[in-house]
Amino acid sequence: DAKTTQPTSMDCAEGRAANLPCNHSTISGNEYVYWYRQIHSQGPQYIIHGLKNNETNEMASLIITEDRKSSTLILPHATLRDTAVYYCIVRVVPDYKLSFGAGTTVTVRA
Amino acid sequence: DAGVTQSPTHLIKTRGQQVTLRCSPKSGHDTVSWYQQALGQGPQFIFQYYEEEERQRGNFPDRFSGHQFPNYSSELNVNALLLGDSALYLCASSLETSGSYNEQFFGPGTRLTVL
Repeated sequence: DAKTTQPTSMDCAEGRAANLPCNHSTISGNEYVYWYRQIHSQGPQYIIHGLKNNETNEMASLIITEDRKSSTLILPHATLRDTAVYYCIVRVVPDYKLSFGAGTTVTVRA
Repeated sequence: DAGVTQSPTHLIKTRGQQVTLRCSPKSGHDTVSWYQQALGQGPQFIFQYYEEEERQRGNFPDRFSGHQFPNYSSELNVNALLLGDSALYLCASSLETSGSYNEQFFGPGTRLTVL
């Protein structure tokens, strides 16, 4: 019952910014946008989340459009270790579960 | 500070058998969730435990059951194993009082193969 649409895959160059789009056109007012990533053979890792304002932390920036129907995760300086599957998740708080879709497979190339 | 730990790492069972997977949450966390991840797919929510009770459940049959202990660790039990139960089983822990910032920390998972 994933409510997001992401590209299946994308490549980016090491050292450049990686911009990962996510469409969530049916998002409700009380639903947050979360981003997780899963590096091969590891469990998913939290990256960032937001409601309607742009957010930034040490890993990434999250840009949410004014109508909240889409968002972009920005990895400012991609490294080879950022190669992973990135999941955009819409979640109502306090719903407890994370509903993962298929995600975007991001490959960072040297 | 140890993160989420799971045991065993790998497990092979045959159809019809029963299996128990174990999870220790990150230090200070009181909530444990379990997910199933089939090959090539995203994780699917099985259930979540808080205060030793199951409080939310995903679309999984009753063959999947769990338990949370007073020290917050948890077990996932699967009865009457089917071939389709072969997957990576992920445990995630979080802190109930963290509000919207309910970051779930995932363990490395247990790879279950059913033959």
